[in-house]
Amino acid sequence: GQQVMQIPQYQHVQEGEDFTTYCNSSTTLSNIQWYKQRPGGHPVFLIQLVKSGEVKKQKRLTFQFGEAKKNSSLHITATQTTDVGTYFCAGPDMYSGNTGKLIFGQGTTLQVKP
Amino acid sequence: GAGVSQSPRYKVAKRGQDVALRCDPISGHVSLFWYQQALGQGPEFLTYFQNEAQLDKSGLPSDRFFAERPEGSVSTLKIQRTQQEDSAVYLCASSLPGSYYEQYFGPGTRLTVT
Repeated sequence: GQQVMQIPQYQHVQEGEDFTTYCNSSTTLSNIQWYKQRPGGHPVFLIQLVKSGEVKKQKRLTFQFGEAKKNSSLHITATQTTDVGTYFCAGPDMYSGNTGKLIFGQGTTLQVKP
Repeated sequence: GAGVSQSPRYKVAKRGQDVALRCDPISGHVSLFWYQQALGQGPEFLTYFQNEAQLDKSGLPSDRFFAERPEGSVSTLKIQRTQQEDSAVYLCASSLPGSYYEQYFGPGTRLTVT
């Protein structure tokens, strides 16, 4: 079945270092979403990417959607302790039409050492 | 404004008991989703409502799981004859029409089956 995979599973960085998580889909995606889940919290929507090769920035976060629309990345510049959490990518289920059914990756958990 | 609320936040059930989990979506959000999140994993889709209509229940793991949204607002996820493998966090999310993938999650209900 359709799969969304993320690497790495865990990343420990020193505060101020950069961080990147990669997301790969087994199928071409019409769009991709990124969510952040703080420890003990719930997923919070960060962004949606729709266009092939799209790049969007939110302050220190840069999101990219691959040219083939099968992969995506999230890069954080100069991490801060507030960036701690698990970052999930999620793509639409290709068999469900435009219903909002999402397939989530397993997430990348970021730890930041102050 | 008020976000998505879920109750109870924590539920301990003995194996074989029935449980009911409640979700109050954001007012005006016609789409409502239920997800199951196991420890260390991404959310997994269970079912989806548009208003009161359950349009997709392909993710429900067995016929012990049942969801309803009779008036198109509050939703209840019911699990009959709970098993240990049902232990997980159950997340509810809602979204606006046309923004199906920008989902607002509730805090979740952590279900532990002993």
